[in-house]
Amino acid sequence: SYVLTQPPSVSVAPGETARIPCSGNNVGGKSVHWYQQKPGQAPVLVMHYDSDRPSGIPERFSGSNSGNTATLTISRVEAGDEADYSCQVWDTLSEHYVFGPGTKVTVL
Amino acid sequence: QVQLQESGPGLVKPSQTLSLTCTVSGGSISSGSYFWSWIRQPAGKGPEWIGRIFASGDTNYNPSLKSQVTISVDTSKNQFSLKMTSVTAADTAVYYCAREAVVVAALDYWGQGTLVAVSS
Repeated sequence: SYVLTQPPSVSVAPGETARIPCSGNNVGGKSVHWYQQKPGQAPVLVMHYDSDRPSGIPERFSGSNSGNTATLTISRVEAGDEADYSCQVWDTLSEHYVFGPGTKVTVL
Repeated sequence: QVQLQESGPGLVKPSQTLSLTCTVSGGSISSGSYFWSWIRQPAGKGPEWIGRIFASGDTNYNPSLKSQVTISVDTSKNQFSLKMTSVTAADTAVYYCAREAVVVAALDYWGQGTLVAVSS
């Protein structure tokens, strides 16, 4: 089964840039989606098809995907960006969605 | 604005069947533009996709759960449901239902989630 790997945590100062990696075998050949989840709330889609932002998501959020790593980038980080971020892909071999374990972003 | 709401027992005994329903409002579940998914999340862990159903009844399941899971749809009630048999404590989690727009191919609307504990 396809496996996605994410670091458990990323810390960033307000106003700086947070980069959240999501690694998987040739993940660059798949479409990666990203979700933001705050404590006690349901996940929210913040990026789909690697780099497309849904309506209402700030331009500070961007995405890229190449080789074995996809990256969600949050520019000019704000306190309200503090959350868990999970990546997701469709495993074409077994026809099911796979989530990464999530990365907790802490704003210092 | 589409809304999804999970409902069902919050406590299930080991070896019994977990049953949850998701009611969709603000849009028709019969639309050919969407899949309808179940996802669960144990405390402190990332989400785990359980499976999805199309309005036609076509389904996809997580291979690791396929033997114990059935997802069904009731278009007359604008609902879809999850049944998970032979549950154990490892199935304790927050269970979410969600919509996947075909053109987006991602889960764009989620229910608030419901905690299901498996305990005697």
